[in-house]
Amino acid sequence: NAGVTQTPKFRVLKTGQSMTLLCAQDMNHEYMYWYRQDPGMGLRLIHYSVGEGTTAKGEVPDGYNVSRLKKQNFLLGLESAAPSQTSVYFCAGSRGTSGANVLTFGAGSRLTVL
Amino acid sequence: GENVEQHPSTLSVQEGDSAVIKCTYSDSASNYFPWYKQELGKRPQLIIDIRSNVGEKKDQRIAVTLNKTAKHFSLHITETQPEDSAVYFCAAANDYKLSFGAGTTVTVRA
Repeated sequence: NAGVTQTPKFRVLKTGQSMTLLCAQDMNHEYMYWYRQDPGMGLRLIHYSVGEGTTAKGEVPDGYNVSRLKKQNFLLGLESAAPSQTSVYFCAGSRGTSGANVLTFGAGSRLTVL
Repeated sequence: GENVEQHPSTLSVQEGDSAVIKCTYSDSASNYFPWYKQELGKRPQLIIDIRSNVGEKKDQRIAVTLNKTAKHFSLHITETQPEDSAVYFCAAANDYKLSFGAGTTVTVRA
């Protein structure tokens, strides 16, 4: 089992470029999440999905879009990258158990926008 | 939405001493409170969690306490060891959405 896998691990973009981060899981997770981690700000939820074909906004959704066409995959897109989107992005999945929603994180994707 | 505050932001302890990290939350409907540990360059991993119907939970050297009335919960690490050096995040959840605190960087001095 690979668990939760993110690609790419590193990426450098120029302002205005677009890109997609892929999260793939083989743990049969119903729920999937995208967080960004910035120094001193913890993990902030960008978007999440409670099942195949569903997406919802988190705390900091502006500038990002997501899709969950298949249960195993959750894609995070940046249509026009900005320097403020320089961050480490973590994908996570969970069974969605009410009262015990344990997240399994991917290894992270470090994005730099110049 | 839920707002989780975590203190202190950094904590330095002598090996063998105890470490305590405190968190407060705002949403009285939150019912699940996990703690995640993130070593340098690694992904966050769950170390302990507590549900709203429990006041305290212990797992070897780590323990978590919850005061629902005051809306705060704490992580206690006893007999700290060098491998406890990491960033620790508390979180609060109402159903499936977790909101994280800003993190505490713990350094264990030999």
